Amino acid sequence: AQSVSQHNHHVILSEAASLELGCNYSYGGTVNLFWYVQYPGQHLQLLLKYFSGDPLVKGIKGFEAEFIKSKFSFNLRKPSVQWSDTAEYFCAVNSDEKLTFGTGTRLTIIP
Amino acid sequence: KAGVTQTPRYLIKTRGQQVTLSCSPISGHRSVSWYQQTPGQGLQFLFEYFSETQRNKGNFPGRFSGRQFSNSRSEMNVSTLELGDSALYLCASSLGHHKETQYFGPGTRLLVL
Repeated sequence: AQSVSQHNHHVILSEAASLELGCNYSYGGTVNLFWYVQYPGQHLQLLLKYFSGDPLVKGIKGFEAEFIKSKFSFNLRKPSVQWSDTAEYFCAVNSDEKLTFGTGTRLTIIP
Repeated sequence: KAGVTQTPRYLIKTRGQQVTLSCSPISGHRSVSWYQQTPGQGLQFLFEYFSETQRNKGNFPGRFSGRQFSNSRSEMNVSTLELGDSALYLCASSLGHHKETQYFGPGTRLLVL
């Protein structure tokens, strides 16, 4: 069965710092990859997705992610975070006809 | 387009009772998936319905069941509630083809006392 690992459980950064959140998955076949964000009190929203093509994908609010097939990774990046990026971030993989989520990374931005 | 809607938003039940949660997908979406979100286990897949048929199922006991209606609306039922069923239950919809983007509703927060 597919598994998704997010090694950073809680990340604390100052505003303007650069961000990279790790995501690794186990399945080696064809996958669709997603990053979702859950802002405090709000529902899960899609940040970005990778289906095929250019492995560097850009999403909303300045986020981007790079798919590295050889490393089974799909890390999320943002060059300069803002206080409003405080949220929980979930990596998800769709492989065996269902969406498998990582355990999430709580991101706290200090003004 | 209106997003995924879920009712009720909050629910308090006692052990042994049963509960039914409702989900209305985005217009035109034919697939509805349900997830359980808890602080300890994160987001776990319950089941997926497409065209009124369960297409996929996660590793949950038979107390958790669901159905989908001809208008793609879906309901989820949990019988004989246990304290550990306290969670946020999320519904997501997609157009219906495998591996498509899923769009999530706000969830129903269930508290079992």
